[in-house]
Amino acid sequence: GNSVTQMEGPVTLSEEAFLTINCTYTATGYPSLFWYVQYPGEGLQLLLKATKADDKGSNKGFEATYRKETTSFHLEKGSVQVSDSAVYFCALSDGNTNAGKSTFGDGTTLTVKP
Amino acid sequence: GAGVSQTPSNKVTEKGKYVELRCDPISGHTALYWYRQSLGQGPEFLIYFQGTGAADDSGLPNDRFFAVRPEGSVSTLKIQRTERGDSAVYLCASSPSRQGEQYFGPGTRLTVT
Repeated sequence: GNSVTQMEGPVTLSEEAFLTINCTYTATGYPSLFWYVQYPGEGLQLLLKATKADDKGSNKGFEATYRKETTSFHLEKGSVQVSDSAVYFCALSDGNTNAGKSTFGDGTTLTVKP
Repeated sequence: GAGVSQTPSNKVTEKGKYVELRCDPISGHTALYWYRQSLGQGPEFLIYFQGTGAADDSGLPNDRFFAVRPEGSVSTLKIQRTERGDSAVYLCASSPSRQGEQYFGPGTRLTVT
């Protein structure tokens, strides 16, 4: 079945540091890949997505590239801010066979210190 | 516009009791999903509706769990004979189509004592 493995946390960085959160996946078919973010006290919200190989999703300074050859979708940001402190979830959706239901990783908690 | 809403936000119940959790999706969204999130883990798929019908209920853990969406909008997740292991945050998400972006509600935190 489908699975997502993401970098264990927690991750603590200083403001303006470079961020990478690793994510690899196992899936049948041609999945779409997502990063969701959950800020303290808020619900899950989509951060970015990529629907096919070599696509790059980007939003709010975050980027992730769909790498089919390495089955990866690593999240990066060049300069993090305190406001980026949150839990980040990598997910995949195999829309071809599983009607868009998503499989999530276990989340990575990011804390950015001023 | 209004997002996905879920009620109640918190529910505490005794072991063996019956509970209902409600989800109001974004108006016009045809796809609706239920997930369960335990502490320190990602959301785990339970069931997916396309319109009124359950298109995929493969994630329901056992027959104590059931969900309905009778008019293709509001959905209710029903749990019979609750067990302590059912304690989790239950998330609902809706989408304009089966492959569209999913919009999540704030969740219902269920605690079974």
